Amino acid sequence: DSGVTQTPKHLITATGQRVTLRCSPRSGDLSVYWYQQSLDQGLQFLIQYYNGEERAKGNILERFSAQQFPDLHSELNLSSLELGDSALYFCASSPADRQNTDTQYFGPGTRLTVL
Amino acid sequence: AQSVTQPDIHITVSDGASLELRCNYSYGATPYLFWYVQSPGQGLQLLLKYFSGDTLVQGIKGFEAEFKRSQSSFNLRKPSVHWSDAAEYFCAVGLIQGAQKLVFGQGTRLTINP
Repeated sequence: DSGVTQTPKHLITATGQRVTLRCSPRSGDLSVYWYQQSLDQGLQFLIQYYNGEERAKGNILERFSAQQFPDLHSELNLSSLELGDSALYFCASSPADRQNTDTQYFGPGTRLTVL
Repeated sequence: AQSVTQPDIHITVSDGASLELRCNYSYGATPYLFWYVQSPGQGLQLLLKYFSGDTLVQGIKGFEAEFKRSQSSFNLRKPSVHWSDAAEYFCAVGLIQGAQKLVFGQGTRLTINP
């Protein structure tokens, strides 16, 4: 158990819908990262937040957005869902934002299925 | 662009045999390297990491990895595998470009024959 929690574990929805994925980082960690794992793209970095502020963006679609709240939990919002958005979405956390010795600890993931 | 290559998509070894999983990276600066393992239906668990210093690093579950700068490699090894090691293994490079993010290889699926 990494200490990172994600809810829900599974999510099944229809095309065009909007969903919210939730992540609680390890106690004391200020950085939260979101990754998408799909069969065709593999594991890809989406976005990072540090203490409530966006720090870095990766291959995140405009239909996707995220935020980190004062209690440091984070939410990833996916809208206008398409079949290709079906994937496993991971959250990870680390203590800081630019420490190159930081290690990211991953949650169990949320499996999203778009029908 | 930075990239990580895991040449072997799928490897099968016998229970008790030795294992080596290959990882090559492309990154201009000093790499920060990681190996993660993903068991079926599970999240990613950190096996080991290399930041600097001794190029042979020890991890959990009896795994080790060796950083070879001249070959741009960070191969993962285990002297004797167990059936419980069956999983998918990911090599990753940590990029410090304004903020830390990980670039992952495509993964190697390990199957253990009894």
